[in-house]
Amino acid sequence: GAVVSQHPSRVICKSGTSVKIECRSLDFQATTMFWYRQFPKKSLMLMATSNEGSKATYEQGVEKDKFLINHASLTLSTLTVTSAHPEDSSFYICSAIEGRNSGNTIYFGEGSWLTVV
Amino acid sequence: DAKTTQPPSMDCAEGRAANLPCNHSTISGNEYVYWYRQIHSQGPQYIIHGLKNNETNEMASLIITEDRKSSTLILPHATLRDTAVYYCIVRVNNYKLTFGKGTLLTVNP
Repeated sequence: GAVVSQHPSRVICKSGTSVKIECRSLDFQATTMFWYRQFPKKSLMLMATSNEGSKATYEQGVEKDKFLINHASLTLSTLTVTSAHPEDSSFYICSAIEGRNSGNTIYFGEGSWLTVV
Repeated sequence: DAKTTQPPSMDCAEGRAANLPCNHSTISGNEYVYWYRQIHSQGPQYIIHGLKNNETNEMASLIITEDRKSSTLILPHATLRDTAVYYCIVRVNNYKLTFGKGTLLTVNP
């Protein structure tokens, strides 16, 4: 299947700093990318949907100024956690889809573990 | 939005078929049923999806009832590496995926 890659896979940052996570579609053009976060033993929670070249659509309760999403090209989306706090520590996962047909498969990245100390 | 109901956990013996059920009684006519699985500390892995007809690929088979209100994912010969949380998801709102709690499948030796 298609490959979606995230980087870094693990990152530790100090409280108050910002950290960027990249999501790349390696063998297809991702019209839309999605960002999720997952706490231990919990299910994935959708944070936002980003379409290439336009502003991201955030889910209710997700702070758009804290979680900056950029989808500048058809193969790259970035999530920047600004002014990180320990409660932002989580597993962040991106996914991507080619085209807008609901029958098109959505593929997920390997995930990125963020630890804020 | 169509929701899904899955048992929280299931056990299966290695080498046997694993049959994972999913109820989606409020599914709409144009909504697909998707199955993903997540092994601990990894991103979800796509397994299979279908609309009306039964589907089969190298990983699994998907059986969808005629009224589309439920489906079953079948892993024909489960291995220890199939131990994971399996998510049954109905594709809503054009194309985003909303995850429920899934089924923790444990394959025992």
